[in-house]
Amino acid sequence: TAGITQAPTSQILAAGRSMTLRCTQDMRHNAMYWYRQDLGLGLRLIHYSNTAGTTGKGEVPDGYSVSRANTDDFPLTLASAVPSQTSVYFCASSDVGSGEQFFGPGTRLTVL
Amino acid sequence: GQNIDQPTEMTATEGAIVQINCTYQTSGFNGLFWYQQHAGEAPTFLSYNVLDGLEEKGRFSSFLSRSKGYSYLLLKELQMKDSASYLCAVLDSNYQLIWGAGTKLIIKP
Repeated sequence: TAGITQAPTSQILAAGRSMTLRCTQDMRHNAMYWYRQDLGLGLRLIHYSNTAGTTGKGEVPDGYSVSRANTDDFPLTLASAVPSQTSVYFCASSDVGSGEQFFGPGTRLTVL
Repeated sequence: GQNIDQPTEMTATEGAIVQINCTYQTSGFNGLFWYQQHAGEAPTFLSYNVLDGLEEKGRFSSFLSRSKGYSYLLLKELQMKDSASYLCAVLDSNYQLIWGAGTKLIIKP
């Protein structure tokens, strides 16, 4: 069982470049989330989606965009990367309204 | 604003018991969750409390007092593999998880 996968595992990106982080789940969860995790700050929600076709902004959405064309995929795009976006990015999924979330392995992004 | 507080780091001895505390102030409450995160890995779900009291699951127990905005995670018979960060999170009135910064637990032999 794959669960939830993310790609790439890690990436070094030049400032100003764009990048899409991929996330796919096979658990048929309606809700999906993107978090960033920085040392000492814990997990912060970037964007979320409660069902295919809808998305919402989390705590730190600026500089990021998402789409939810179908149930399984929830890509996160950085249009023009900045060094402050250096972080570990986790994708997660759950049943809508549930706090039991399942996480992907994460993408470690460094913006130089 | 919404706030979840937990100690940054704790140290305990293999075979002992440790209690990790979490206090919260959130807009609404739909449950409190504990997650475990080993270094370099993703968080994984440990426990869930929505009513006051103690929930026991093997060596791990979690307690909740809604009136005090307080929870703790109790780990018994500590093993070296329990070395990890433990994240406290509250499901708020919008059914979004609000996360604490995590407690890094160091187990010494």
